[in-house]
Amino acid sequence: EAQVTQNPRYLITVTGKKLTVTCSQNMNHEYMSWYRQDPGLGLRQIYYSMNVEVTDKGDVPEGYKVSRKEKRNFPLILESPSPNQTSLYFCASRATAGGDYNEQFFGPGTRLTVL
Amino acid sequence: SQQGEEDPQALSIQEGENATMNCSYKTSINNLQWYRQNSGRGLVHLILIRSNEREKHSGRLRVTLDTSKKSSSLLITASRAADTASYFCATERGSTLGRLYFGRGTQLTVWP
Repeated sequence: EAQVTQNPRYLITVTGKKLTVTCSQNMNHEYMSWYRQDPGLGLRQIYYSMNVEVTDKGDVPEGYKVSRKEKRNFPLILESPSPNQTSLYFCASRATAGGDYNEQFFGPGTRLTVL
Repeated sequence: SQQGEEDPQALSIQEGENATMNCSYKTSINNLQWYRQNSGRGLVHLILIRSNEREKHSGRLRVTLDTSKKSSSLLITASRAADTASYFCATERGSTLGRLYFGRGTQLTVWP
């Protein structure tokens, strides 16, 4: 089944404790990205990757890092989490080859609470 | 930064009625997409309409796009209680393919 998976689904942590949220897709998609969703603000893009070893900032990259060493994986790293990073995080992937009108596939979300 | 703005913010209807949600955006787009999100869960892609299309259908969904007014509408016909969810429009620009700009969403409640 074509899907995007994220782990963990729920995480409660404390300020300053480094964490990684993993994202994996099995559709051989070139494009992957991370969004955060906050009440009243909708979804905002954090980082994206056009392909392996190619990453770039989205609208709200501060406090986050990403890497794309393999095509299928795109982990989100919070080196020193702070309470304002408490949010619902979504990973997404999209094929870029074969056309400009490809839908995005979203993971189930990771609910992060930073105390 | 937000690209789309949905209207209304919340919509409450009875089963069997039609639900119409609107989306406005600010810049040129390559395509516009609608997503559904059940409470706190992942986003489900509903439909994509290209900038050179004016109307598209998928089952009970009908989407229109007016690029001159920079607006789109999503019509759900014969609503069901299971349609209760948040609906988001998202635009994709030609210069930044893959990057979606979301609105804040419309919360639809369908009462049995």
